[in-house]
Amino acid sequence: DSGVTQTPKHLITATGQRVTLRCSPRSGDLSVYWYQQSLDQGLQFLIQYYNGEERAKGNILERFSAQQFPDLHSELNLSSLELGDSALYFCASSVDSGPLNYGYTFGSGTRLTVV
Amino acid sequence: ILNVEQSPQSLHVQEGDSTNFTCSFPSSNFYALHWYRWETAKSPEALFVMTLNGDEKKKGRISATLNTKEGYSYLYIKGSQPEDSATYLCASPGSARQLTFGSGTQLTVLP
Repeated sequence: DSGVTQTPKHLITATGQRVTLRCSPRSGDLSVYWYQQSLDQGLQFLIQYYNGEERAKGNILERFSAQQFPDLHSELNLSSLELGDSALYFCASSVDSGPLNYGYTFGSGTRLTVV
Repeated sequence: ILNVEQSPQSLHVQEGDSTNFTCSFPSSNFYALHWYRWETAKSPEALFVMTLNGDEKKKGRISATLNTKEGYSYLYIKGSQPEDSATYLCASPGSARQLTFGSGTQLTVLP
């Protein structure tokens, strides 16, 4: 157990639907990062939150949004789902606002399948 | 967009062999270089974070070196074991706040 909790582990949903992925960071970590891994692609950065505020945005679609709550857990909302959104979504946390001195701690991921 | 490249893409070695693979990154605006180990059906796990030119880190049979002037890092595994089979990822933040990952080197150690 890495200390980063992601739920659910698996999700199957239909096109056009909306889902919410949840992440609780490791105790003491203030930053939460969301990454997407599609088939045959590497880890692609989506968005970062630090202590409740958005800090950095990557190639995140407008249909996707995220937030970090006062208790530091984060949710990634994916709407109007398309087949191409099927992927493994990872949450990672770190103690600082940028990965200069400490590595990420990854959750176990959520496998999203859109049918 | 930060370009982090890894080679080779995949590698098969015999148990007991030593091996190494490469991570290339832009040498300008360098802040840190990370290595992660990703076993199948698990999540990536941090191995090393290196920040200084000439850094060398070691964890058991795995070690890494860093050359920030020329923009590369090597990961070495001495006496590979089947349990070393995994994808090894390197990543760098460049001047950004988040890590850009390479596509990984998939290592298979044959018994």
